[in-house]
Order: sequence, then structure tokens, then C-alpha cells
Amino acid sequence: EVQLVESGGDLVKPGGSLRLSCVTSGFAFSSYSISWVRQAPGKGLEWISSISTTSSFRYYTDSVKGRFTISRDNAKNSVFLQMNRLRPEDTAVYYCAREHIGSYYADSWGLGTLVIVSS
Amino acid sequence: QVVLTQSPSASASLGASVKLSCTLSSGHTSNAIAWHQHQPERGPRFLMKLNSDGSHTKGDGIPDRFSGSSSGAERYLSISSLQSEDEAVYYCQTWDTGTSWVFGGGTKLTVL
Repeated sequence: EVQLVESGGDLVKPGGSLRLSCVTSGFAFSSYSISWVRQAPGKGLEWISSISTTSSFRYYTDSVKGRFTISRDNAKNSVFLQMNRLRPEDTAVYYCAREHIGSYYADSWGLGTLVIVSS
Repeated sequence: QVVLTQSPSASASLGASVKLSCTLSSGHTSNAIAWHQHQPERGPRFLMKLNSDGSHTKGDGIPDRFSGSSSGAERYLSISSLQSEDEAVYYCQTWDTGTSWVFGGGTKLTVL
């Protein structure tokens, strides 16, 4: 069974940092690109970052460029999101999602982890 | 940049059918999309990939009650024999220049 499990969400003050983890199982992790998607309270889904299979390509939405860094460890079947200089508008549930091979859509999702940025 | 437009809400009665729409912006009307279901307090669930010709590939375990179709810039998700657990927000998703995902605003489906 394909599983993606996020962790690391917490309450953090503006300007602070957090590192989210997405641990996966049930599939050949190193063959898949992985993305992070977030949902702010009362809002829809928003793509924020993707990483290719060998970490050669990393993409970010404009609002997080220079603040967030995506990385992966294929030996540990895991993807990470280092979030620095957090802002209140980063408050959201963060999901990791597997990208379908050969196409650009999510075909499996995690349950999410909640990040609250507030003083 | 591609934009996906969805109606904010829809409703239908238990046991009835409903058809949700997702409109692709000009210049991107041949894009394939994906449909996702997002129930409260759960992670999103991939339903299907839907091509411009209406052909679609469903995710594992997605019931036959869910189907997709296309017409021009419109992509549709049809759900028949509505059940209470179908009450959710439904998102369409596509991709832009092969590097980023784009989501529609979502349609909240209420089962009456």
C-alpha cells in the first residue's frame, strides 16, 4: 500500500523556522518526483514545491522562493521541507504528494501536518 | 499561466447524479487535468486523470460511479448514485510548463 506520512508541523512565531518531513512506503520512492501542497484555513489547495527523483530539479512557487528549501533522501524514502523566515500567511496544512510517473499530477497524498505561524 | 475555474458549490440529492465542471483558460484548452476529492479532516484523494478527448484513468479503488468527460475547454467529473460520503470538496489540477502544479479553486459538493 502506498503511504505518505507528514510530520513536523507546529506552532511557530513569525520569522521562525520549521522542518517538515514526509516519510513514504509501499512504492519505489527513488522513481518518483514528490511535491508539497498546502491548504490555508478556509482556502483551496496551493502547490508550493516539487523535487525530481535525483534532486536535480527543484521548483518553488514565488511566495516561498528564498525561504523554503525542498530536499530528499532516497535511502530513507523521505522528502523534507525546510521553512525559514515563516510568515503568518504560511499557516496551513501541508501535504506531500507523489507525482505520477511520466505526467505532472498527484496520484497519492499524505494526511497532512499543520503549521501555525503566530505570535 | 494556466488558470482553472470551478464553481464554488454544488448540491444534489442522495442517490442522484451530479456533474462538476472545471474550465481551462485560453491557450491551455488541450491540457489534461486530474480530479481530486478532499473530504473534511482527511488528505486529498486522487480520483482520475482526464484527457482532452474525454479518456480517463482512475486511481486505485475509485468506484465506477465516478467518471470524467471533456468538451473543448471544459473538463467534467460526474458522480452517479450519490452517497453521503461523496460530500467533499473536489479540485481539478493541471500543470504549467511542466514544472508546477495548478489547482482550481475547488467545488464544495453537498449531498442533500
